[in-house]
Amino acid sequence: AQSVTQLGSHVSVSEGALVLLRCNYSSSVPPYLFWYVQYPNQGLQLLLKYTTGATLVKGINGFEAEFKKSETSFHLTKPSAHMSDAAEYFCAVSDVNNNDMRFGAGTRLTVKP
Amino acid sequence: DAGITQSPRHKVTETGTPVTLRCHQTENHRYMYWYRQDPGHGLRLIHYSYGVKDTDKGEVSDGYSVSRSKTEDFLLTLESATSSQTSVYFCAISDRLASYEQYFGPGTRLTVT
Repeated sequence: AQSVTQLGSHVSVSEGALVLLRCNYSSSVPPYLFWYVQYPNQGLQLLLKYTTGATLVKGINGFEAEFKKSETSFHLTKPSAHMSDAAEYFCAVSDVNNNDMRFGAGTRLTVKP
Repeated sequence: DAGITQSPRHKVTETGTPVTLRCHQTENHRYMYWYRQDPGHGLRLIHYSYGVKDTDKGEVSDGYSVSRSKTEDFLLTLESATSSQTSVYFCAISDRLASYEQYFGPGTRLTVT
């Protein structure tokens, strides 16, 4: 069965610093990978996704992620953190054979001034 | 934003009472999902639907039932609510023919006392 592990339940960075949120997946077939962001008291919003093609995926708000099959990873990065990036981030995996999507436990990002 | 509404947005109920949560979409998407979100667990799938009257169980389906009599509505029922079902419930929709991401509703916060 597919699964996702997010390393680090809390990440704290200074404003302007690099953001790196880690995600490793397990899937027996080629995966579809997603990053979602959740702001307080809101639903989840898609940041970016990888299905096929280019392994470096660019999303909204300056975020990007790289699919590395050899490392079974899909880490999320942003070169320079902004205060508005403070939120909870979820990595998720799906594939063509499954009707559902599996989510990681989430990483809460704090941005310090 | 995808047209997804959830009702009620907040509910407090007593142990043993039945509770029904409603998800309504205006996107005509085939797939609809119910998740629960709990700290440290991310989102876990309760049930999903792949068409009118077509539903299947997810990872944490015990104590929950669902129904879908129209494309736009997906109901989640707790037959006899327990304190362990205190959670935030999210509905999501997907058009898997076009893409595999899911679009989320705003959530329902349910407290069982």
